[in-house]
Amino acid sequence: AQSVTQLGSHVSVSEGALVLLRCNYSSSVPPYLFWYVQYPNQGLQLLLKYTSAATLVKGINGFEAEFKKSETSFHLTKPSAHMSDAAEYFCAVSDQTDKLIFGTGTRLQVFP
Amino acid sequence: NAGVTQTPKFQVLKTGQSMTLQCAQDMNHNSMYWYRQDPGMGLRLIYYSASEGTTDKGEVPNGYNVSRLNKREFSLRLESAAPSQTSVYFCASSEVHSGNTIYFGEGSWLTVV
Repeated sequence: AQSVTQLGSHVSVSEGALVLLRCNYSSSVPPYLFWYVQYPNQGLQLLLKYTSAATLVKGINGFEAEFKKSETSFHLTKPSAHMSDAAEYFCAVSDQTDKLIFGTGTRLQVFP
Repeated sequence: NAGVTQTPKFQVLKTGQSMTLQCAQDMNHNSMYWYRQDPGMGLRLIYYSASEGTTDKGEVPNGYNVSRLNKREFSLRLESAAPSQTSVYFCASSEVHSGNTIYFGEGSWLTVV
């Protein structure tokens, strides 16, 4: 069975600092991996996805993630945090079906 | 482009009442989903529909029923609401293939008292 683990339910950074949100997955088949962002009182919006092409995936708003098969990880990074990045971030995994399994989310706070 | 539209946005129910959450998408997607979001638990799949006329249970189907009315619409029904069903519900849709992006509606906040 597939699963996703997001380490750290809350992450706080200063504006301009590196953002690193961790995601580890478990899958018996080559996975598709996603990062979604949720702003307060809104639905989820795709940030980026890995579908077995390049292992370094670039997304919207300056975010990127690297697929590391040996570490079963898909961590999300951004070199310089902005106040507008404050939101909840979800990692998700999909196998050969249409179902998407989500992690429990990481709430990012950005301090001035 | 409306994307995924769900109604109502807010609803308060008494224990034992029934209600239906409506969802429609205008992207001609085959697959549609209902998720619930609870603090600290992420999003959990309630039911999904891979195509018109088919539905399958997800992780947490108990207490819910669904109807895939046509390709555009996928409704979620609570027959006898319980306080444990207080949650935020999200409808979503995607193309059939598993690497495709899932698009979400803006959510329905349901409180059962």
